[in-house]
Amino acid sequence: ELKVEQNPLFLSMQEGKNYTIYCNYSTTSDRLYWYRQDPGKSLESLFVLLSNGAVKQEGRLMASLDTKARLSTLHITAAVHDLSATYFCAVDPTTGTASKLTFGTGTRLQVTL
Amino acid sequence: ETGVTQSPTHLIKTRGQQVTLRCSSQSGHNTVSWYQQALGQGPQFIFQYYREEENGRGNFPPRFSGLQFPNYSSELNVNALELDDSALYLCASSFTGRTSEQYFGPGTRLTVT
Repeated sequence: ELKVEQNPLFLSMQEGKNYTIYCNYSTTSDRLYWYRQDPGKSLESLFVLLSNGAVKQEGRLMASLDTKARLSTLHITAAVHDLSATYFCAVDPTTGTASKLTFGTGTRLQVTL
Repeated sequence: ETGVTQSPTHLIKTRGQQVTLRCSSQSGHNTVSWYQQALGQGPQFIFQYYREEENGRGNFPPRFSGLQFPNYSSELNVNALELDDSALYLCASSFTGRTSEQYFGPGTRLTVT
């Protein structure tokens, strides 16, 4: 059974600081997704990583994928309050043509002034 | 381009009742996946529909069932509701393909009392 673990589960950081969220998974996959969720809301797609060594950046967020280590990271640079949300990674282990995602536990990020 | 829509937004049911949730997929998408997200947890895959057939199922009992219609919209039915069924139910649509990304709807918040 595929397991996806994120750490930390909760992260309180000051504005302007940098930090990394880690996503480890237990089975081979080269498809990994990062989502953001605000309280009571749905999931917003942040990044789609589809190959070993993939790196994508959007604003203050950068995601990478190492399929050999079964590890993805979401790096936050110079955090701002608007980044406060819960972040999920999701892995698609299927070899077929349609994605079936297994989500991590989520990392709740709180950015303080 | 119309995004994924779900109805209703909120629902309160009594234990033992039955419920039907609805999802309209994004224009051009032919695959619909359903996820259950309990409070404070990551979404869990329930099942997926492609070409009106179930195309994979997660670890959910048979009282969770679904349908997909020729216009690719979908329903999730839950019979004999239990208190633990209280959750946010998310529908995601995609176009089948190895690199297909899932786009999530706003969700239906189900409360079972």
